[in-house]
Amino acid sequence: EDQVTQSPEALRLQEGESSSLNCSYTVSGLRGLFWYRQDPGKGPEFLFTLYSAGEEKEKERLKATLTKKESFLHITAPKPEDSATYLCAVQARNQAGTALIFGKGTTLSVSS
Amino acid sequence: SAVISQKPSRDICQRGTSLTIQCQVDSQVTMMFWYRQQPGQSLTLIATANQGSEATYESGFVIDKFPISRPNLTFSTLTVSNMSPEDSSIYLCSAHRVNSYNEQFFGPGTRLTVL
Repeated sequence: EDQVTQSPEALRLQEGESSSLNCSYTVSGLRGLFWYRQDPGKGPEFLFTLYSAGEEKEKERLKATLTKKESFLHITAPKPEDSATYLCAVQARNQAGTALIFGKGTTLSVSS
Repeated sequence: SAVISQKPSRDICQRGTSLTIQCQVDSQVTMMFWYRQQPGQSLTLIATANQGSEATYESGFVIDKFPISRPNLTFSTLTVSNMSPEDSSIYLCSAHRVNSYNEQFFGPGTRLTVL
């Protein structure tokens, strides 16, 4: 069964304290791994898509990496505005061909 | 990326009634989806809205409970029928455009409370 597990569930950081969020997955036929940011009361905001082991993508203070079994979202010198829930999803093959299977997310709180 | 709007943004409904949620994308997209996000849970795919044909439902979701329409490439509706308190959730519309980013983007969601 296709599955995505994110850890930790919650993470509290001080401003400037770098850390990483983990997303481990099991899926038959990975077509892509997605990272989203979700603020309270809003829909998920697309951050990255990764396709193959060894791939890395960066955006401001965020860098996403991918291995054959997991992905990491590294946050360098976070600021309070980085506080949000970060969602990981894998794109697998469903009947329609492009389903996303989501993890439960990691809620990040950054204090100044 | 394209912009998705949903109506209504929230609603409080009585048990046994139905609610139709509208989703509008500001440009043509290849695929549209409906997800549910229950408190403390992952986003779960309900169905893929197919343009001009019947939606494709995921395991555990049926057309009688969640009828979906997609009359064109930018618009879709999801109806939550014969509602019960267990249907209280956030319903999210999503769209996929095949481009260099392989991006699947989301609307702001509809927060539904069933009393």
